[in-house]
Amino acid sequence: KQEVTQIPAALSVPEGENLVLNCSFTDSAIYNLQWFRQDPGKGLTSLLLIQSSQREQTSGRLNASLDKSSGRSTLYIAASQPGDSATYLCAVTTGNQFYFGTGTSLTVIP
Amino acid sequence: DAGVIQSPRHEVTEMGQEVTLRCKPISGHNSLFWYRQTMMRGLELLIYFNNNVPIDDSGMPEDRFSAKMPNASFSTLKIQPSEPRDSAVYFCASRSGGGYEQYFGPGTRLTVT
Repeated sequence: KQEVTQIPAALSVPEGENLVLNCSFTDSAIYNLQWFRQDPGKGLTSLLLIQSSQREQTSGRLNASLDKSSGRSTLYIAASQPGDSATYLCAVTTGNQFYFGTGTSLTVIP
Repeated sequence: DAGVIQSPRHEVTEMGQEVTLRCKPISGHNSLFWYRQTMMRGLELLIYFNNNVPIDDSGMPEDRFSAKMPNASFSTLKIQPSEPRDSAVYFCASRSGGGYEQYFGPGTRLTVT
């Protein structure tokens, strides 16, 4: 069974810092990997989707990389802002099964 | 608890037909979410409800899609008329007010021919 782990579980940084969130998965046979953001009381917001044939995706200040062979993905956030404070989840998809990571709670301090 | 229940599990229909997907959230959960999953776009949030009230439907692709939650134990997602590009797996999820973890149903695989 696929297991998805995110490290760290919580992270607190001062505004303006660059930061990296990590996601690891045990089964490399994935179709894609997706990074989400979750704000309290809201649904999941998709940030970036990386297909299994891709190495990275970028959107604004966000960059996600995928190393399928080693079972790892990173989400890089440049010049963090207080508005980036949220829980970040990664999810991998195999067929129509998807597996969520444990999440990283990010706090950006003004 | 039986978890989030979705029906049907599979639906095959012809273009132009109306499709209704159903969801029963976990008892006591006050938030309900509808997602669509495709290989190309991944998992996308369509709409979510808090206490039976639609909060954000900005993910609903177009007017052909509508969702209702007449009470705390039942929700529907309707597509009328359906098109082949609507083919996807549709997930329903629920969450209790005190937590952030969402509990997903098994999904409905929709095929529109």
